Amino acid sequence: AQSVTQLDSQVPVFEEAPVELRCNYSSSVSVYLFWYVQYPNQGLQLLLKYLSGSTLVKGINGFEAEFNKSQTSFHLRKPSVHISDTAEYFCAVSESPMRGYNKLIFGAGTRLAVHP
Amino acid sequence: DVKVTQSSRYLVKRTGEKVFLECVQDMDHENMFWYRQDPGLGLRLIYFSYDVKMKEKGDIPEGYSVSREKKERFSLILESASTNQTSMYLCASSSTGTDTQYFGPGTRLTVL
Repeated sequence: AQSVTQLDSQVPVFEEAPVELRCNYSSSVSVYLFWYVQYPNQGLQLLLKYLSGSTLVKGINGFEAEFNKSQTSFHLRKPSVHISDTAEYFCAVSESPMRGYNKLIFGAGTRLAVHP
Repeated sequence: DVKVTQSSRYLVKRTGEKVFLECVQDMDHENMFWYRQDPGLGLRLIYFSYDVKMKEKGDIPEGYSVSREKKERFSLILESASTNQTSMYLCASSSTGTDTQYFGPGTRLTVL
């Protein structure tokens, strides 16, 4: 069975500092990987996704993530954070779509708090 | 832009009441999903639907049912609400053959 582990429940960081949010997954088959962001009082929004090809994936708002198959990781990074990046971040995994839809398995989330 | 709307942002109900949560999407998506979100647990899939009148159980279906009579609308039903169903409920939709799910803003349900 698939599972996702987000290694940090909370990450405090100062504005303009770099940040890395860690995600490990387990699966016996090829997977798709996603990072979603949830701003306060909002639904989830897709940040980036890995389906195949280049292991370095760039997303919105300056975020990027690297797929590492040998370490089964998909860590999210940003070189310089802003106050507006304060949010909860979710890593998710799915198997290649079957019957036209994909079921996502989510991690527990990492709350990023950016301080001035 | 894809828009997924949920009927209420906040809802307060009493134990034993029947509760309906409504979700509507405007992009003609075939697939629709209901999740609940709890602190420290992330999102867990309750039910999903890949076509009108078709549904499948997710990881935590107990105590819930769903209805999909029209393509754009997916309802989550709590037949007899209990306090342990106090949670944030998120609806999502996706198009067949694609990988991205689009989420609504969520309904925060409190059962007293």
